[in-house]
Amino acid sequence: QLQLQESGPGLVKPSETLSLTCTVSGGSINNSSYYWAWIRQPPGKGLEWIGNFYFTGSTYYNPSLKSRVAISVDTSKNQFSLKLRSVTAADTAVYFCARLDRGENWFDPWGQGTLVTVSS
Amino acid sequence: SYELTQPPSVSVSPGQTASITCSGDKLGDNYVCWYQQKPGQSPVLVIYQDTKRPSGVPERFSGSSSGYTATLTISGTQAMDEADYYCQAWDSSTAVFGGGTKLTVL
Repeated sequence: QLQLQESGPGLVKPSETLSLTCTVSGGSINNSSYYWAWIRQPPGKGLEWIGNFYFTGSTYYNPSLKSRVAISVDTSKNQFSLKLRSVTAADTAVYFCARLDRGENWFDPWGQGTLVTVSS
Repeated sequence: SYELTQPPSVSVSPGQTASITCSGDKLGDNYVCWYQQKPGQSPVLVIYQDTKRPSGVPERFSGSSSGYTATLTISGTQAMDEADYYCQAWDSSTAVFGGGTKLTVL
């Protein structure tokens, strides 16, 4: 059974870079049938897609975040990562990683999520 | 930017049918997925490609789409179905989520 687990600092200072890692277990990140995605949810608010990554290197980002975000992969560790630069309080959210099916375009499963707070 | 519109809240009595709508001006050309999120948990896929139900999702969950509106229907709603529900579609290579609907089972 595929499982995803987010990890990283829970507190980031304004203007710094948010860095998170998603570890995939029970399946390979090199599977050609899937993309790998990051999605976030500010406290008490809805879901916002951040971007997708394909193991060949293709990336797709939310236009509203594109200038600040980068998603990369470490296939040797079966992990993919998110970096979000120049964060502000508006970037405070629960960050989820998820698998994205290439053919039917659904997100499943999702990781449990990790809360990142931007504060000095 | 592309938007999907959902009602903020829907209430239903146990055993009755709940309907949650999702509207967007490109839905006629794009499939919709629905996700269920219970408090403190991560979202779970309950419907994809407008009408398909993943294995393990109860049969009381169904989806439909007509024109620019997609609908998630829960028949014989149970207390355990109380949750936030989000629709999601694609605008080219960009994923868009609706604002979410809080389903209350009274």
